[in-house]
Amino acid sequence: DAGITQSPRHKVTETGTPVTLRCHQTENHRYMYWYRQDPGHGLRLIHYSYGVKDTDKGEVSDGYSVSRSKTEDFLLTLESATSSQTSVYFCAITGTQGGEAFFGQGTRLTVV
Amino acid sequence: GQQLNQSPQSMFIQEGEDVSMNCTSSSIFNTWLWYKQDPGEGPVLLIALYKAGELTSNGRLTAQFGITRKDSFLNISASIPSDVGIYFCAGQDSGGGADGLTFGKGTHLIIQP
Repeated sequence: DAGITQSPRHKVTETGTPVTLRCHQTENHRYMYWYRQDPGHGLRLIHYSYGVKDTDKGEVSDGYSVSRSKTEDFLLTLESATSSQTSVYFCAITGTQGGEAFFGQGTRLTVV
Repeated sequence: GQQLNQSPQSMFIQEGEDVSMNCTSSSIFNTWLWYKQDPGEGPVLLIALYKAGELTSNGRLTAQFGITRKDSFLNISASIPSDVGIYFCAGQDSGGGADGLTFGKGTHLIIQP
């Protein structure tokens, strides 16, 4: 199994509060991604990183920010959580652009 | 962005039956990948395809990279209960870009007793 750890695995938070999800990898892969998974929508890209301090927006980036200060860590922050951000969040890594992606186990976030 | 059309959306089959699912895109892809997701887990890579016409097997699973580079197929032979789950296709289009893969919406495989 690829060395990817997401934390926390489950979180319940209140509307309006900031939330940070963490993705940690031990594979030294260059590319890291945050997806959200919702019924009927599949996996949608939120933000991605192509190197330390190099990040860009994905398809559904509004309300989210990311940071990557080290190769192994990619943080996703919900600046002010809303109920529409209730979802399952997955981190993924690839060693090459467009290559095989390996996923973490996911974080189930509920915003009440 | 790119879209992948994955079908069928769900399949209800009997144990022992063969399964076929496919993905099509509106543009040429350089890579096709197939994943399986079990409940409460992240997607796990099953098969990777990198060349048009490529046919690759992984146990009872066989996948093909379409000649037109706009489609891919996954077949599962002699299904067993542990095959239940959601199967996703994914691909990287020829435009490249660091934004990674485009995913289909998944095929839910349900095995009826």
